[in-house]
Amino acid sequence: AQSVTQPDIHITVSEGASLELRCNYSYGATPYLFWYVQSPGQGLQLLLKYFSGDTLVQGIKGFEAEFKRSQSSFNLRKPSVHWSDAAEYFCAVAINTNAGKSTFGDGTTLTVKP
Amino acid sequence: ETGVTQSPTHLIKTRGQQVTLRCSSQSGHNTVSWYQQALGQGPQFIFQYYREEENGRGNFPPRFSGLQFPNYSSELNVNALELDDSALYLCASSLGGRGSYNEQFFGPGTRLTVL
Repeated sequence: AQSVTQPDIHITVSEGASLELRCNYSYGATPYLFWYVQSPGQGLQLLLKYFSGDTLVQGIKGFEAEFKRSQSSFNLRKPSVHWSDAAEYFCAVAINTNAGKSTFGDGTTLTVKP
Repeated sequence: ETGVTQSPTHLIKTRGQQVTLRCSSQSGHNTVSWYQQALGQGPQFIFQYYREEENGRGNFPPRFSGLQFPNYSSELNVNALELDDSALYLCASSLGGRGSYNEQFFGPGTRLTVL
């Protein structure tokens, strides 16, 4: 069975600083990987996804993620964080294109200092 | 185009009771997935419905059951509620099809508290 680990429960960065959120997955075959953001009182929103091809994927809101098969990682990055990025971020893995059956990590809460 | 809606927003029940949560899919979507998100954890897949048929189930007991209607709205029913069932229940809809990827869109969730 597949699994996802997000090692950082809580991260605090200053506004304008760069951000990297870590995600490690466990799955024997080619994974389908996703990053979602959840703001208080709102549902999850897809930031980006990786299925195949270029290992650096671009998403919405200026986010990008890099797939590294050798490290079983799919880390999320943003060069300059805005206060509105404060939220909870979830990494997820699916075994095929049916994203509706995804396995999620436990999330990383991002706090942005002014 | 309306997004995914869920009702009710909040719900308080006592142990042993039964509860029904509702989800209206985004227009045109034929697939609904339900997730349980306990406090401090990520969403856990409960089951998925595709064109009114169950299309996969996570590691949840049979007292968690579902239904999808011809208009593709959906219900999640939980019988014999336990304290550990307290969580945010999320539904997500998508336009499913064999072998194709379609983004799932999440509703805001129903917060269930079991006392």
